[in-house]
Amino acid sequence: AQTVTQSQPEMSVQEAETVTLSCTYDTSESNYYLFWYKQPPSRQMILVIRQEAYKQQNATENRFSVNFQKAAKSFSLKISDSQLGDTAMYFCASRGGTSYGKLTFGQGTILTVHP
Amino acid sequence: KAGVTQTPRYLIKTRGQQVTLSCSPISGHRSVSWYQQTPGQGLQFLFEYFSETQRNKGNFPGRFSGRQFSNSRSEMNVSTLELGDSALYLCASSLYTSGANVLTFGAGSRLTVL
Repeated sequence: AQTVTQSQPEMSVQEAETVTLSCTYDTSESNYYLFWYKQPPSRQMILVIRQEAYKQQNATENRFSVNFQKAAKSFSLKISDSQLGDTAMYFCASRGGTSYGKLTFGQGTILTVHP
Repeated sequence: KAGVTQTPRYLIKTRGQQVTLSCSPISGHRSVSWYQQTPGQGLQFLFEYFSETQRNKGNFPGRFSGRQFSNSRSEMNVSTLELGDSALYLCASSLYTSGANVLTFGAGSRLTVL
């Protein structure tokens, strides 16, 4: 079984600044994957970044990067140079190694980027 | 390349009725997963299909069912609708080829039960 916890219901940041969204997880599997998805007000869920648990190197996608602390079961998302288009609900999610389509989501963090 | 298409986008039903939602995956994707999104419960996994077979099922009552066709299109059905079934139903498709499998989501079907 997997659980994902996002402790920040809402966050705000000024345009061009950096913000970090927190996520902790728990899993009984040795092989698992972690994801951050973004859901803008239009509601189309979009993959932001993913991390394979067996990789020690933190994933990076342009302005988005993660801080993966496996021992602490922590998976935070850092957004650099925040843009107005980053305003959205952000979901942290996990899945087991062979549960290809079964994601366990956190409750989400609403991020608002202010001009 | 067309994305994941869900129909209808919005629908209103009354208690006791049944509803069928449709999902067309990205061309080439053979796996379809369904999720229910509500303000109270968040995003919850319903079921996953691959090659017309249900591979995983979430913790939902038997009123929720689904199927997948040979062209990978999927439908989910909710019978005897309850007020609590009001939600955004999201479909996601994937290649289902390796551990790095990534889901691509559709825009969702917004169901309101009156």
